[in-house]
Amino acid sequence: GDSVTQMEGPVTLSEEAFLTINCTYTATGYPSLFWYVQYPGEGLQLLLKATKADDKGSNKGFEATYRKETTSFHLEKGSVQVSDSAVYFCALRGVAGANSKLTFGKGITLSVRP
Amino acid sequence: EPEVTQTPSHQVTQMGQEVILRCVPISNHLYFYWYRQILGQKVEFLVSFYNNEISEKSEIFDDQFSVERPDGSNFTLKIRSTKLEDSAMYFCASSDPSGSPYQFFGPGTRLTVL
Repeated sequence: GDSVTQMEGPVTLSEEAFLTINCTYTATGYPSLFWYVQYPGEGLQLLLKATKADDKGSNKGFEATYRKETTSFHLEKGSVQVSDSAVYFCALRGVAGANSKLTFGKGITLSVRP
Repeated sequence: EPEVTQTPSHQVTQMGQEVILRCVPISNHLYFYWYRQILGQKVEFLVSFYNNEISEKSEIFDDQFSVERPDGSNFTLKIRSTKLEDSAMYFCASSDPSGSPYQFFGPGTRLTVL
């Protein structure tokens, strides 16, 4: 079945540091890929998405590129801020349909120090 | 901005008791979902619901679980006889099949079974 693997956390960075959070997946066909973020006390929010190979999703300075050859969707940001402190989830939606279930990774907690 | 809401934010119950977790999806959405996250583990899909019936469910969603849309706004998850291993964060989500097919999540209900 479909699965998503995220790097182990937590991750602690200083403000303005470069961020990479690794995500790899296993799925048949061409799934859609997502990054969700959860700020303290809030729900999961869609951060960015990519629906086909080589697509780059971007939002709020974060980027991720859908790499079919390496089955990866790593999240990057060039300069993190304290306000980026949150839990980040990589997820995929299989080919069954636009409203089918999401398969998530474990999530990783990012803490950014001033 | 419209959002998914969930109540209560934290529910404590005794093993064997019934619990009902409540969600108010975004008003024009037609697909509804429940996910859960056991502490330290992945966010797992439980069930999706469309047109007043279950459209997809996981192996976790056994006879102890049920979902209902009792009126035009609420979407509920009932656990008939809670077990210790049901302790988790439960997330509700909704999506609009005619618009952006992305799932919008609520803040979650933390269920603790003693």
